[in-house]
Amino acid sequence: GAVVSQHPSWVICKSGTSVKIECRSLDFQATTMFWYRQFPKQSLMLMATSNEGSKATYEQGVEKDKFLINHASLTLSTLTVTSAHPEDSSFYICSARPGTGGQETQYFGPGTRLLVL
Amino acid sequence: AQKITQTQPGMFVQEKEAVTLDCTYDTSDPSYGLFWYKQPSSGEMIFLIYQGSYDQQNATEGRYSLNFQKARKSANLVISASQLGDSAMYFCAMWGTSYGKLTFGQGTILTVHP
Repeated sequence: GAVVSQHPSWVICKSGTSVKIECRSLDFQATTMFWYRQFPKQSLMLMATSNEGSKATYEQGVEKDKFLINHASLTLSTLTVTSAHPEDSSFYICSARPGTGGQETQYFGPGTRLLVL
Repeated sequence: AQKITQTQPGMFVQEKEAVTLDCTYDTSDPSYGLFWYKQPSSGEMIFLIYQGSYDQQNATEGRYSLNFQKARKSANLVISASQLGDSAMYFCAMWGTSYGKLTFGQGTILTVHP
């Protein structure tokens, strides 16, 4: 089956530092990857959509300079939280859409929990 | 635009009983898909079931079935013979062909009692 990994699964950092989260499709090529954010007991909110080789499309209200997304290859997308602050503490989930199959198909990574002290 | 509504913040069910989780949606997209995901405390999103807007029959996957009523714009999840391991957050989500993104409902926390 299609597997998406995220690294790290847990990260604790000091306020003001930057944190990079990787999302990899392990056994398929992902033309599109999505990044979501989820606060405890709340829904998933789409942050941005990234297509390989092009700039990410951010949802309204998401700071582009704060959340840098790079989709450099068909199997890797990265989310960098720049100058992280405690309010950025959240659960970040990526999903990847294969180049083949229906447009609605996407596979989720296991998520990354970020805690900013 | 598209919207998903889950009106049940929490549901309780006895082990081995069936439970229905409600989901209503709104979209202007003529072609769309409806998903249900399970999210246990670990956080991973587990795909349960999918229904396309043009599918004539309701989707079923093992103990999961999707009660799709297009005219009422509802896509309720039915879990039969609940198990303790079914305790989790459940999300209904919609994909619109022209919208091109998944929109999630607020989620329902299901607790299965022994």
